[in-house]
Amino acid sequence: AQSVTQLDSQVPVFEEAPVELRCNYSSSVSVYLFWYVQYPNQGLQLLLKYLSGSTLVKGINGFEAEFNKSQTSFHLRKPSVHISDTAEYFCAVSDGGFKTIFGAGTRLFVKA
Amino acid sequence: DTGVSQNPRHKITKRGQNVTFRCDPISEHNRLYWYRQTLGQGPEFLTYFQNEAQLEKSRLLSDRFSAERPKGSFSTLEIQRTEQGDSAMYLCAGSGSGNEKLFFGSGTQLSVL
Repeated sequence: AQSVTQLDSQVPVFEEAPVELRCNYSSSVSVYLFWYVQYPNQGLQLLLKYLSGSTLVKGINGFEAEFNKSQTSFHLRKPSVHISDTAEYFCAVSDGGFKTIFGAGTRLFVKA
Repeated sequence: DTGVSQNPRHKITKRGQNVTFRCDPISEHNRLYWYRQTLGQGPEFLTYFQNEAQLEKSRLLSDRFSAERPKGSFSTLEIQRTEQGDSAMYLCAGSGSGNEKLFFGSGTQLSVL
């Protein structure tokens, strides 16, 4: 069975500072990995995904994530955050089948 | 806008009543998913359709829950004899064949009083 652990429930950070949101997964098979973002009062939307190939994946809004198979991690990073990045971020895993499993989410709060 | 629409946006009901939610994915989405999300948690998988066939159902889904996708287009999720613990955001998502990306609707917020 697959599972996803997001290690931080909340991450406060000042504007223009770098940020890392941590995600670890558990799976017995090869996985696809995702980060979704949910802005206040909006639905979830895909930020980036790793299917295969380069372990460094770039997404929208300047975010990137690195797949580390040995550490079973897929941490999300941004070198300089904006107020508009305040949102909830969900890490997710799929075994390439039909079901995507989500982590509990990390609330990123960007302060001026 | 993902193109996935859900109705209603909000539903308030009394305990014991039945409720039905609707999801309309875009025509290219032959896969359709229902998830449930409670405050402070990520979406929990409920069930999945490939076209009109319901292929998987979570153990979380009691027999009070039923979902359909007639003709492989829109889908409905019905909850019978609602309980306060059913209060949550119910999310629908679609995807195309071989495309792992999920397109989520805005959800239906259910409050059971």
